[in-house]
Amino acid sequence: EVQLQQSGPELVKPGASMKISCKASGYSFTGYTMNWVKQSHGKNLEWIGLINPYNGGTSYNQKFKGKATLTVDKSSSTAYMELLSLTSEDSAVYYCARRGYERAMDYWGQGTSVTVSS
Amino acid sequence: DIVLTQSPASLAVSLGQRATISCRASQSVSTSSYSYMHWYQQKPGQPPKLLIKYASNLESGVPARFSGSGSGTDFTLNIHPVEEEDTATYYCQHSWEIPPTFGSGTKLEIK
Repeated sequence: EVQLQQSGPELVKPGASMKISCKASGYSFTGYTMNWVKQSHGKNLEWIGLINPYNGGTSYNQKFKGKATLTVDKSSSTAYMELLSLTSEDSAVYYCARRGYERAMDYWGQGTSVTVSS
Repeated sequence: DIVLTQSPASLAVSLGQRATISCRASQSVSTSSYSYMHWYQQKPGQPPKLLIKYASNLESGVPARFSGSGSGTDFTLNIHPVEEEDTATYYCQHSWEIPPTFGSGTKLEIK
């Protein structure tokens, strides 16, 4: 069974950075690209970027360049997203989502809630 | 970026009737072989769930009362007959180019 298990909720101070993890199981981690998606106010979905776990290649939404950094650890089948210089605008739920062969997001993590507050 | 305009923003449908949700793309997302449009269902507190890929292909395990159609710039998600458990927000998403974008969502209520 394919599963994407994300790290728990975070409360961080403005200006700080933080990293979210997404541990994959039930499939070949290096065989599928991983997407990251932001959901603000429980509604709007925005694509942040993707990473190819096989070679570490990345592609980012221009809006999130300098805000998010995507990495993977193949040895533990885990994808990471680091969020930098956080502001209140970064408060949201963040998802990892596997990119299927049809280029749809076929499996999603449960989401990680990030709250930026002093 | 490709803009996806979903309509309506919300709708209420009686149990057993049909729900129809539209998604219009600001440019074509189809080739002669494939349409790079997908539909998701999201219930409160849960991640989105893939329902339909390539505009009309039902994802494994999704009930056959869900169907998708369309090509080019105009796409439709139909649910018939609707059931109580279909209460959710539905999103379209294209994967024609980077960045993929999502529609703004349609909230479905079952009367």
